Amino acid sequence: NAGVTQTPKFQVLKTGQSMTLQCAQDMNHEYMSWYRQDPGMGLRLIHYSVGAGITDQGEVPNGYNVSRSTTEDFPLRLLSAAPSQTSVYFCASSYSRLGNTEAFFGQGTRLTVV
Amino acid sequence: AQSVAQPEDQVNVAEGNPLTVKCTYSVSGNPYLFWYVQYPNRGLQFLLKYITGDNLVKGSYGFEAEFNKSQTSFHLKKPSALVSDSALYFCAVRGPMDSSYKLIFGSGTRLLVRP
Repeated sequence: NAGVTQTPKFQVLKTGQSMTLQCAQDMNHEYMSWYRQDPGMGLRLIHYSVGAGITDQGEVPNGYNVSRSTTEDFPLRLLSAAPSQTSVYFCASSYSRLGNTEAFFGQGTRLTVV
Repeated sequence: AQSVAQPEDQVNVAEGNPLTVKCTYSVSGNPYLFWYVQYPNRGLQFLLKYITGDNLVKGSYGFEAEFNKSQTSFHLKKPSALVSDSALYFCAVRGPMDSSYKLIFGSGTRLLVRP
């Protein structure tokens, strides 16, 4: 049981390039989300999904797209990378959207945009 | 607006001594509260949660947290700290009225346990 798997672990992009961060979970979780972690700011929600085919924006969605074609996968796309997107990105999943369920996190992707 | 505050950037404690990592929150309605721990270059790991009921919640690795509704606090505690407890700790809250079901995180507190 792998839990939440993110790839790649590290990535360097040039300004303007695009890329996709992969996230997969094998726990049949309904709710999946993407956060970015910046020093002194905790984690901020980028996008989330309450099930296959359903996605919505979080607090900081600009510059990112998501899709959820299957229960297991929830990729995050950077459309045109900017230095402000330098961050550590975490994918998380929860059994349900109910508030009392804890989230399981992937190991993160450290992204640097130069 | 919903928010979480962790007033200490770092907490230093000697091994064997009790530790407390502070957290206060602001949310409409009855909150769901969580503590997570992050070790270097790793994702966040769930420690414990408060949903309802007993104000003292026990979690993983000997940690516990006390929910205080009047003070809107959810402090993390451990009776006897270990060097291996050194990590970054995040408090998080999920408001029952939030349609995005998102976790709102504090800025994190670094715990340093010295031998």
